[in-house]
Amino acid sequence: EVQLVESGGGLVQPGGSLRLSCAASGFTVSSNYMSWVRQAPGKGLEWVSVIYSGGSTYYADSVKGRFTISRDNSKNTLYLQMNSLRAEDTAVYYCARDLLPDSSSDYWGQGTLVTVS
Amino acid sequence: SYELTQPSSVSVSPGQTARITCSGDVLTKKHARWFQQKPGQAPVVVIYKDFERPSGIPERFSGFSSGTTVTLTISGAQVEDEADYYCFSLGDNYLGMFGGGTKLTVL
Repeated sequence: EVQLVESGGGLVQPGGSLRLSCAASGFTVSSNYMSWVRQAPGKGLEWVSVIYSGGSTYYADSVKGRFTISRDNSKNTLYLQMNSLRAEDTAVYYCARDLLPDSSSDYWGQGTLVTVS
Repeated sequence: SYELTQPSSVSVSPGQTARITCSGDVLTKKHARWFQQKPGQAPVVVIYKDFERPSGIPERFSGFSSGTTVTLTISGAQVEDEADYYCFSLGDNYLGMFGGGTKLTVL
């Protein structure tokens, strides 16, 4: 069974850093298209970043240069390193597998809340 | 720029047909995906590749694409379909994008 479990969220001051983790089971992170999506309180979904199986990475303009997506194959875990955090980064952060328009299925974690204040 | 535009809200009575649109230039080149999100829950895909329905999604959910607009149709909407709905696609620049979301009210 595919499972994604995020952790690492919490309260951080503006300008601070935080690293989110997404532990995967039931599949291999490095062989899949893995994304981070966030949702500010009471707001819509916002795509944040993606890492392809080949290792290419892409970022939303709002986080480019501040956030870094990566993975640890030995731990089968996806990460999001967040630096220079701002109040507007406050959101629930979800990791997801296969977030593609043509994919017949996708998988999401339960989300982890990041509060920048 | 790549953007997806949705109406902020749609309201129907139970049993009526709800239609939610999503517009954007990228949709002439890329397919769309529709998500349903209920409060406190992660999104669930209800339509992919513009009109394909994943297994387990009721037949009352359907999708259609024409030009720069994709449409999610819920035929005979049920009270349990009340949720936020988001379209999603991928730009030529490999960046993902969500529509702003549509709050569907069924009452």
